[in-house]
Order: sequence, then C-alpha cells, then structure tokens
Amino acid sequence: SQKIEQNSEALNIQEGKTATLTCNYTNYSPAYLQWYRQDPGRGPVFLLLIRENEKEKRKERLKVTFDTTLKQSLFHITASQPADSATYLCALARGSSASKIIFGSGTRLSIRP
Amino acid sequence: SQTIHQWPATLVQPVGSPLSLECTVEGTSNPNLYWYRQAAGRGLQLLFYSIGIDQISSEVPQNLSASRPQDRQFILSSKKLLLSDSGFYLCAWSNKASTDTQYFGPGTRLTVL
Repeated sequence: SQKIEQNSEALNIQEGKTATLTCNYTNYSPAYLQWYRQDPGRGPVFLLLIRENEKEKRKERLKVTFDTTLKQSLFHITASQPADSATYLCALARGSSASKIIFGSGTRLSIRP
Repeated sequence: SQTIHQWPATLVQPVGSPLSLECTVEGTSNPNLYWYRQAAGRGLQLLFYSIGIDQISSEVPQNLSASRPQDRQFILSSKKLLLSDSGFYLCAWSNKASTDTQYFGPGTRLTVL
C-alpha cells in the first residue's frame, strides 16, 4: 500500500540555523509533491509544490528538493526564526481531476531563540 | 479571492447525539471538496471527497456521512456520535484544473463526551 513517512516527529534547532525536514514515500508515483505548514488549532496552509520533473524549488527562505529515484523530498528553511515554529506536512498528488492527495503525519519544528 | 468557511468552530456533544458540520466555499465554482479528520498529534485522515453535487466518495468505513447539496456547500453528518469521533475536522477545496493543492478551512474541534 502507499506509504508516506516524515522521518522526525519533532525537530528542535537553534535560531539562525537551517532546518531540514525529510519526506519519504513508497508504492506511489506522484506527479507533484507539496509542503504545508500547520499551526496549532489551525488548518494547514500550502507553502510549496514541486513537480516530478523538477529537482529543486525555492521560495524566499524555503527550498524543496525532489528525488524520484530515492523517493524522497527534503524541505529546508534557511536562517530559521522562532516564527517558523510549526508542524510541516508533506503531501503527494497525481494531479488528475478527481484525485486525492496523501499527507504525511508531519514534523513538529521548534526554533529556539 | 477564494475563501472557505467552517462552522461551528468548536462543538461539545454527548455520545449518541447527531452531528452536522458545514463547510462553504466562496470565489470559485465546481471545486473538489474534502473532509478530513485529525486526531491529536496525528496526521490528516481523508474521510470524504466530492467532485460535484451529490457525488461523494467515502474513504473509510465509519458512522459519518457527507452530502453536497449545492456546488460550494459540503456537510458532514452523523446520526449517533461515538467517543472515537472526537477530533479536529477540516474541510478543504481544490481546483480541478490544477495540481491538487488543497486550501483548508479553519477547522471544527469536536469533543464527544
């Protein structure tokens, strides 16, 4: 069956460092991989999408890589700030009009001052 | 711009009572609509998704049901709540002609006592 794993349930790093979150998947061939941010008691918010034929995507301090051979995505936040503290979810999608996306269970990131 | 509303924001219900949660989307037409449940500290579980009026797909067997009486209205219901129905319920929409990016509502916190 399809499986998506985010390797750390929680990650705690010092402000200013780069946070790196990992997402691995099996038994799936996604057309897109997405990353979302979720704050406590709120719905997830879409951050970035990377397509299967793209290796890397950047948005401000965020960078996502996608390796379809390793079946892995890395999500980086450079120059991390306490305001970046949240749970980050990765999700896989095939992109058809009636498809569903599969979410990982998330990594809770804490940035300490 | 598009917005998604959910109500109520919080709900405390006794076991065996009925449930009705409502979700409406504004600013888009013919969206895909989704209901998710998130248990405390856990990932998102897809409950139902809909590609159109009265077209509902159920993902997991349960005592919940969903309806879509209008294009931009999605309702989650139960005739008799169980303790295990407690959780954070999220409604989301996506654009059919896109990459399945999900846009989430603010959520409903349901506690069944």
